[in-house]
Amino acid sequence: DTEVTQTPKHLVMGMTNKKSLKCEQHMGHRAMYWYKQKAKKPPELMFVYSYEKLSINESVPSRFSPECPNSSLLNLHLHALQPEDSALYLCASSQVATVGYEQYFGPGTRLTVT
Amino acid sequence: GIQVEQSPPDLILQEGANSTLRCNFSDSVNNLQWFHQNPWGQLINLFYIPSGTKQNGRLSATTVATERYSLLYISSSQTTDSGVYFCAVLTTDSWGKLQFGAGTQVVVTP
Repeated sequence: DTEVTQTPKHLVMGMTNKKSLKCEQHMGHRAMYWYKQKAKKPPELMFVYSYEKLSINESVPSRFSPECPNSSLLNLHLHALQPEDSALYLCASSQVATVGYEQYFGPGTRLTVT
Repeated sequence: GIQVEQSPPDLILQEGANSTLRCNFSDSVNNLQWFHQNPWGQLINLFYIPSGTKQNGRLSATTVATERYSLLYISSSQTTDSGVYFCAVLTTDSWGKLQFGAGTQVVVTP
């Protein structure tokens, strides 16, 4: 089974709220990723976790805080977001974070910041 | 960093038509994936094809790594083929960072 699940599917939050996005995979993958996708643009990498440790942070603002509690779960904590942070947030996983391994994506969380 | 260019940017097809999408990349790659993003935003894996040719039903893909391009063929298109097709690559120093092309928007009309 090559399934990555994400919750919630949709999220509307105010600029003063705190919320979290959740991603889960049960494929035994040891690399997990967060991507952000704006309308009519390709996905852009935000973070990479390798063996539950943060290995890449693509200069993402601190109002986005990732967390990898275990090898199956990845969270993205959100606080004090701006309207321009409205986007589709995609989670992905692969066996390891290197070449030779396919990345599989979840269905995404569509976030609207009001 | 590596540049990934996809063409054409937009494609309108009548149901039943065949088409070819192209992905050019500026440097050697070790991973290449083709995705279909449906209207709901789900990125669906079509092919993992760093080199060679693969087929899956009405879709097939060819990557010529030495010439730095990949092609995705859609035959007998159906309305469900509509969406955005992305090519994405990894290089040895990417550490898992997939570099996406801008995508090809495909609309299949009945």
